[in-house]
Amino acid sequence: EIVLTQSPDTLSVSPGERAILSCRATQSVSNNLAWYQQKPGQAPRLLIYGAATRATGIPVRFSGSGSGTEFTLTISSLQSEDFAVYYCQHYNMWPPITFGPGTRLEIK
Amino acid sequence: EVHLSQSGGGLVQPGGSLRLSCAASGFTFSTHAMHWVRQAPGKGLEWVSGVSATGGSKYYADSVKGRFAISRDNSNNTVYLQMNSLRADDTAKYYCAKDSWIIRGSFDYWGQGSLVTVSS
Repeated sequence: EIVLTQSPDTLSVSPGERAILSCRATQSVSNNLAWYQQKPGQAPRLLIYGAATRATGIPVRFSGSGSGTEFTLTISSLQSEDFAVYYCQHYNMWPPITFGPGTRLEIK
Repeated sequence: EVHLSQSGGGLVQPGGSLRLSCAASGFTFSTHAMHWVRQAPGKGLEWVSGVSATGGSKYYADSVKGRFAISRDNSNNTVYLQMNSLRADDTAKYYCAKDSWIIRGSFDYWGQGSLVTVSS
């Protein structure tokens, strides 16, 4: 089973600043990686798939990069609505599909 | 507009059974795989099961294999999760999710979630 780790556990950033979240896989997932945003009491929301492709309706301030085992989600200029938990997820040669443990992005 | 409407959660005793339903609208249901993902209270996301567009292929996490069964009814645009032999560690909010392609494994739309509590 491919295990995903995310860092940091919690990231404190001021509005308007840039946030960089990392996701690492225990073996290559090629570019079969997605990022989700989840706010309290809500279902997750797909942000990025294919490691770097924004999902429909996702603002351009969200960008993804990486391939193989190292991935990054960058939020270029944080808005108040961006403070949430972010999960990476692989879908390479599944099952199983696995998620990372999440990074909590909080207001500094 | 894509909409996934879930029903069927609740409180069940250990060893009991429950069936979750997820009614889909706003897209061609029969051309997309569907999945179930759960989230234990205060915890992260765990993929539970997936079913191909036709229903001919079904996939499970090891943690539920042999106890849960996924199915779909393309004539009624509904996907189901039959949960048997429930345990305390199955307590979670269960989300149905639409595959973002025919069968890719990423999820572009999610239901509102159904809370399942396994307790005596």
